[in-house]
Amino acid sequence: SQQGEEDPQALSIQEGENATMNCSYKTSINNLQWYRQNSGRGLVHLILIRSNEREKHSGRLRVTLDTSKKSSSLLITASRAADTASYFCATDRGSTLGRLYFGRGTQLTVWP
Amino acid sequence: ETGVTQSPTHLIKTRGQQVTLRCSSQSGHNTVSWYQQALGQGPQFIFQYYREEENGRGNFPPRFSGLQFPNYSSELNVNALELDDSALYLCAIGNRGRENIQYFGAGTRLSVL
Repeated sequence: SQQGEEDPQALSIQEGENATMNCSYKTSINNLQWYRQNSGRGLVHLILIRSNEREKHSGRLRVTLDTSKKSSSLLITASRAADTASYFCATDRGSTLGRLYFGRGTQLTVWP
Repeated sequence: ETGVTQSPTHLIKTRGQQVTLRCSSQSGHNTVSWYQQALGQGPQFIFQYYREEENGRGNFPPRFSGLQFPNYSSELNVNALELDDSALYLCAIGNRGRENIQYFGAGTRLSVL
């Protein structure tokens, strides 16, 4: 079963705008990760936030985590057409065995 | 470049047939996991191999099986294919631990007719 639920399911914006995607999950976690997938190909790791962290930045990415609400958000600032992709959050359900549980993803389209 | 190679990239099979998908990597990560991604969905965990032994399985029947070899390569076998097995199959390497970042291959697109 899917672990997380991302919303919105689809997001369409213009270049230069910010894109915000949200993710909710149901179990305890050690960390939460965000991945990107272009056109049904392999997933690429973007950023990881630990359960004891509230915010993390990497380049144009900003991730927040609220463990009390079991939710996370991914903000992409100054979006570019090349950011067009599907974005997934993934959790470990509190395990250290290296398995990930993904949500259904947000399809982001950035128009030039 | 993740260093994870999957073959073939595309495959067409008919219902009832068997299929073997392959994954190889260049590095010494100690886990290899397989995921199934149906169209419009997120990847679903199938199973994981750790030091060449199956180490956990998701909600998939026994006709999904696999192997991990000493040279870091792995196979996913699916017997008695069903139409619902049509999906993108992803291989991912990683390490056990608190930061279990997974490095994915580009996937094999399987179509069952």
